[in-house]
Amino acid sequence: TQLLEQSPQFLSIQEGENLTVYCNSSSVFSSLQWYRQEPGEGPVLLVTVVTGGEVKKLKRLTFQFGDARKDSSLHITAAQPGDTGLYLCAGEFRDDKIIFGKGTRLHILP
Amino acid sequence: GAGVSQTPSNKVTEKGKYVELRCDPISGHTALYWYRQSLGQGPEFLIYFQGTGAADDSGLPNDRFFAVRPEGSVSTLKIQRTERGDSAVYLCASSLSSNTGELFFGEGSRLTVL
Repeated sequence: TQLLEQSPQFLSIQEGENLTVYCNSSSVFSSLQWYRQEPGEGPVLLVTVVTGGEVKKLKRLTFQFGDARKDSSLHITAAQPGDTGLYLCAGEFRDDKIIFGKGTRLHILP
Repeated sequence: GAGVSQTPSNKVTEKGKYVELRCDPISGHTALYWYRQSLGQGPEFLIYFQGTGAADDSGLPNDRFFAVRPEGSVSTLKIQRTERGDSAVYLCASSLSSNTGELFFGEGSRLTVL
């Protein structure tokens, strides 16, 4: 069974703090994506990582892909209220099926 | 528009009825995915198409669920004899091909079974 575990499930922090969310699996991914979802909308792609050890930055967001391509992390620096939302990781497996984790619901308090 | 379009946006039906949900992908996208999302959960994989064929339907919960994509563009998810447990948001996403891993989602069809 292909599963993606995300942690934490919920995170509520003050504006200006840093945070990291994690995505783990026992399976190897061909690629991994991070999405953000707002209420009433579909998920929106933030980044794709493909190579083990890869690090990508998107403004205050830093994404890292594990060396073995089984895990990933998303780090947000100096969180802002606009970062509030549901963050989802999705892994693409060799058969091209794309599986999502349950998400991390992030709430940034002003 | 240029994005993925899903209709209806909301559907309320009674237990036992038949429902069809439609997805119109981004033009030129060959891969199309269906997911189901319950409140507070991540999207649950149902099926994906590469062109007209269902490349993987392992996520369909049972034989009441069926999906087609006859011309390799628009797809319809069909649910027979709906049950209250089928209530969820059904999300459709398309991708330029099945090996890019980058999905573009519609806004979903919210199904409520009374």
